[in-house]
Amino acid sequence: AQKVTQAQTEISVVEKEDVTLDCVYETRDTTYYLFWYKQPPSGELVFLIRRNSFDEQNEISGRYSWNFQKSTSSFNFTITASQVVDSAVYFCALSEAQNQAGTALIFGKGTTLSVSS
Amino acid sequence: DTAVSQTPKYLVTQMGNDKSIKCEQNLGHDTMYWYKQDSKKFLKIMFSYNNKELIINETVPNRFSPKSPDKAHLNLHINSLELGDSAVYFCASSHANRGPSSYEQYFGPGTRLTVT
Repeated sequence: AQKVTQAQTEISVVEKEDVTLDCVYETRDTTYYLFWYKQPPSGELVFLIRRNSFDEQNEISGRYSWNFQKSTSSFNFTITASQVVDSAVYFCALSEAQNQAGTALIFGKGTTLSVSS
Repeated sequence: DTAVSQTPKYLVTQMGNDKSIKCEQNLGHDTMYWYKQDSKKFLKIMFSYNNKELIINETVPNRFSPKSPDKAHLNLHINSLELGDSAVYFCASSHANRGPSSYEQYFGPGTRLTVT
């Protein structure tokens, strides 16, 4: 069965600190996709990144970086030099490659990040 | 030029009423979804449609009925609303049959439904 676990419910940091959000997943498929979404206080869900199971390269985008490790079934998200605008709920999600139309995202319970100035 | 839009953004109604939420996407996507986010922020799939055909129909009460008049629209109709239906409902869309990018879903702003 598919499952996504975000063990950190809430994290509080001070601006300019680095912070890592953990994500552990379970799947029986050999091909799957992992995602991070951001939900700021305004409520919308913003797509951040997709990672394919067959590509273990880590990715960096500005202050954001993602560490994908198949050996530990983890897909962690690091924000470097955090800013107040990073305050949001962050969701990790998994999609198995059952078909290419209409496959559901399985979400973790989210991590609420609060960045204070 | 909103990509995925939903109306209304807020919906307050009484138990027993019937209501609809509309969703439209202008991304040229073939697949659309409805997700429910509960009070603890947990997100769960309800339905997905590909080119007007129902693909996923999770264990959702029959009172919920999706309708897709064309591939750019997916509406959600809810009959006999109950207190437990209070939640935020998100519409999303994605491509189909385009490889890995087909799994990226883009969400609307959400509709906060409050049943009193």
